[in-house]
Amino acid sequence: GAGVSQTPSNKVTEKGKYVELRCDPISGHTALYWYRQSLGQGPEFLIYFQGTGAADDSGLPNDRFFAVRPEGSVSTLKIQRTERGDSAVYLCASSLLAGTGETQYFGPGTRLLVL
Amino acid sequence: RKEVEQDPGPFNVPEGATVAFNCTYSNSASQSFFWYRQDCRKEPKLLMSVYSSGNEDGRFTAQLNRASQYISLLIRDSKLSDSATYLCAVLLGYNQGGKLIFGQGTELSVKP
Repeated sequence: GAGVSQTPSNKVTEKGKYVELRCDPISGHTALYWYRQSLGQGPEFLIYFQGTGAADDSGLPNDRFFAVRPEGSVSTLKIQRTERGDSAVYLCASSLLAGTGETQYFGPGTRLLVL
Repeated sequence: RKEVEQDPGPFNVPEGATVAFNCTYSNSASQSFFWYRQDCRKEPKLLMSVYSSGNEDGRFTAQLNRASQYISLLIRDSKLSDSATYLCAVLLGYNQGGKLIFGQGTELSVKP
């Protein structure tokens, strides 16, 4: 079956612009996660959703970052007033449920470059 | 101190070698443990979960030591195709967010 998909695969923007990154989870998965991965580092947790609600947004670096999942399926990560330091690979993952023992399946990521 | 720390890499080994990766975690409330494999410019893919009793999948063996807050991955008879970055990850559990905390990854390069 289809895995997690993310669009766009690459995004180049200018400092100060607004960007939206989309994630389409595996069908039937209720939990959806956003991570950010910088070069040479492991993925860093940003936020996760159980259904439509953000269950934990403790990883969002500041209020320029916001994510939604209005219908409990597709999610959009929104970054306002982008900064060069936001450049990274943004990974989305989904799992059947959130929590112990559930495997998270990752999408291919969106490579964001802020010039 | 980072929540999850891995051996710094890279590891350069010949084909057929046995290689071991280590990972320590700081949160004793951690519930589940995983090894992910990440190829260059690709997403992480689950290699194996790590259970208290230890588990084996072909050439790969994972161990968990809760007392020392330490997990390991052993790869026997390394193949060229094992070259990748190996990430350990810890899940804090539903009541603590269900989020994975990753180590920085250890790069493995298997040479002919």
